[in-house]
Amino acid sequence: DAKTTQPPSMDCAEGRAANLPCNHSTISGNEYVYWYRQIHSQGPQYIIHGLKNNETNEMASLIITEDRKSSTLILPHATLRDTAVYYCIVRDGNSGGSNYKLTFGKGTLLTVNP
Amino acid sequence: DVKVTQSSRYLVKRTGEKVFLECVQDMDHENMFWYRQDPGLGLRLIYFSYDVKMKEKGDIPEGYSVSREKKERFSLILESASTNQTSMYLCASTPYRSNQPQHFGDGTRLSIL
Repeated sequence: DAKTTQPPSMDCAEGRAANLPCNHSTISGNEYVYWYRQIHSQGPQYIIHGLKNNETNEMASLIITEDRKSSTLILPHATLRDTAVYYCIVRDGNSGGSNYKLTFGKGTLLTVNP
Repeated sequence: DVKVTQSSRYLVKRTGEKVFLECVQDMDHENMFWYRQDPGLGLRLIYFSYDVKMKEKGDIPEGYSVSREKKERFSLILESASTNQTSMYLCASTPYRSNQPQHFGDGTRLSIL
């Protein structure tokens, strides 16, 4: 699976949009981009994923550049409860067996301030 | 919404005890996983199951076993608990189509004294 690079930390004001970047310059054609977050002492929470088109759900939007080498997770109106570590993961959508496993990097600690 | 339920949020056991961690998912997913998460080491796969009674070793299976007698339930067993198995244990599930995301439970923070 391709490696990802994320900033270690970001701050955002409550009510404003939080834009979390992720670089995945070695991504290959079969690899999807997944975003998870983890609030302290809880299990990771799935947010959104995509292959090449932009995606939106009730939690967030995912913008993937045309060359697919980077993406941005957008939380449109951040709240204090969005404070968490956010992980960007790239993995092959055709993999199987124990290649299903997820590997989290260090992620980005997003702090939403009042 | 997918629901993955782990039996305990916090558990304290003694060295040498046999420990059972239970995980149940309600979405009829074929694949289920057990990970442990430790500071600085990230997420590590212990065991994976792709069907009832089927299992595969992950990256760190030593000292653990698993059981999947029913599709919705995946159990992790620490045969003889040791202090180095103190960790956060996470269960996850995903449908057979591999591009679908894994959904995690809330985790079990296990302390072995």
